[in-house]
Order: sequence, then C-alpha cells, then structure tokens
Amino acid sequence: GAVVSQHPSRVICKSGTSVKIECRSLDFQATTMFWYRQFPKQSLMLMATSNEGSKATYEQGVEKDKFLINHASLTLSTLTVTSAHPEDSSFYICSVIPGGIQETQYFGPGTRLLVL
Amino acid sequence: AQSVAQPEDQVNVAEGNPLTVKCTYSVSGNPYLFWYVQYPNRGLQFLLKYITGDNLVKGSYGFEAEFNKSQTSFHLKKPSALVSDSALYFCAVRVYTDKLIFGTGTRLQVFP
Repeated sequence: GAVVSQHPSRVICKSGTSVKIECRSLDFQATTMFWYRQFPKQSLMLMATSNEGSKATYEQGVEKDKFLINHASLTLSTLTVTSAHPEDSSFYICSVIPGGIQETQYFGPGTRLLVL
Repeated sequence: AQSVAQPEDQVNVAEGNPLTVKCTYSVSGNPYLFWYVQYPNRGLQFLLKYITGDNLVKGSYGFEAEFNKSQTSFHLKKPSALVSDSALYFCAVRVYTDKLIFGTGTRLQVFP
C-alpha cells in the first residue's frame, strides 16, 4: 500500500501561535489528500480535501481561515492551525487515495497537537 | 444521507476465542466498505475492503468480513483472537465520491 508520513508526530505550542503539520506521500503522486481530526475516544472527522494546485475543499463547520491547507506539490500537503487555542488540541491525520474510489485510502501516522 | 453504525463501543473476548465486531451501513447505491484498525497514538491501518464479488473478504492478520446486502452489514471476524489484536476498529463506507464515512469505532479488548 501507499506510504504516508506526517511531521511532526507531536507538537506542543502556546495559545495564539500557529502550527504547521506536513503530510507527505512517499511512493506515489497524490493529486488529492485528506485531512482528518480525531478527538479522544472518538471517530475521525473529515476536515477538508486538499487538491494539488487549487484551493482546498472544506467540510461544513470547518473554518478555512483557521485551518489553512496548502497542497503545493503532488507529494506534500500542509495544514496550518492559525492562532491555536486549547480547543484545537487534537489528533490530526492525513490520508491519500492512490487511485479511484474503489481504491484503499491510506493514512499517515498522525500528529498530536497540544495547545497550552 | 450515508452513515455507518458500529453498535458496540467495546467488545471483550478471551484469547483463542472467535471475535466479531459489528458494522451496519445506510447508503443509497452500491457501497464500498472498509475496515481499519488503530493502535494508540497511531494512524489507521487498512485491514480489508469489499468492492464487489465474493461476499466473504479476507484481509490482514487473519481478519475477514462478510458483506450482507440484505442486512446491510459488514461484520469483522476472526476465528481465534490474539491479545495483540486489542485496538480500536473502524468500519467505513464510500459511495460515489472519494470521501470515507467512518463509524464511531469499536474498542476490542482481548484478554489472556
């Protein structure tokens, strides 16, 4: 399957600062990447779909100005949490689909964000 | 609206016994169904999927799942559980688009 990496794996920041999370597709070119958020003991919630070379598509209720997504290349998408607050503390996971909708979606290892 | 239900928050089973983790779905159209496993502080690992064909799908680590269209179910099974199978399991469905819709997850606890 596809190999997806995320960096950093864990980050602690002060309230009001911005944090950038990178998602890389290591073994194929991904025109589309997905960003999920997972609260403790809860399911994954899709935040946005990252499209290479164009604007991301955000799910209802997700603030696009707070969660900035940049998909500048076929192997890299970044999620920037701007002016982070404690309620943004969560587990952020990216994923890719190396093909059509019948294909398996592969996930990165996740990034644990803690905002103090 | 498309949805996935995992009715059990937790399943407990003794090592060596068979295990079942339940999943039902509600979609319009033909579903693509997936099972993923998540270990603590890790991303999701793909176990198996049903796209079309044989209703019994075999996947990684000895897991299998049976697609039942009449009952709209896709239960995950394993004949003999291992302690190392203890983790969080997610059922997911995809219809028409590339978005995955996840169930709420079931925590599997296998006791020695």
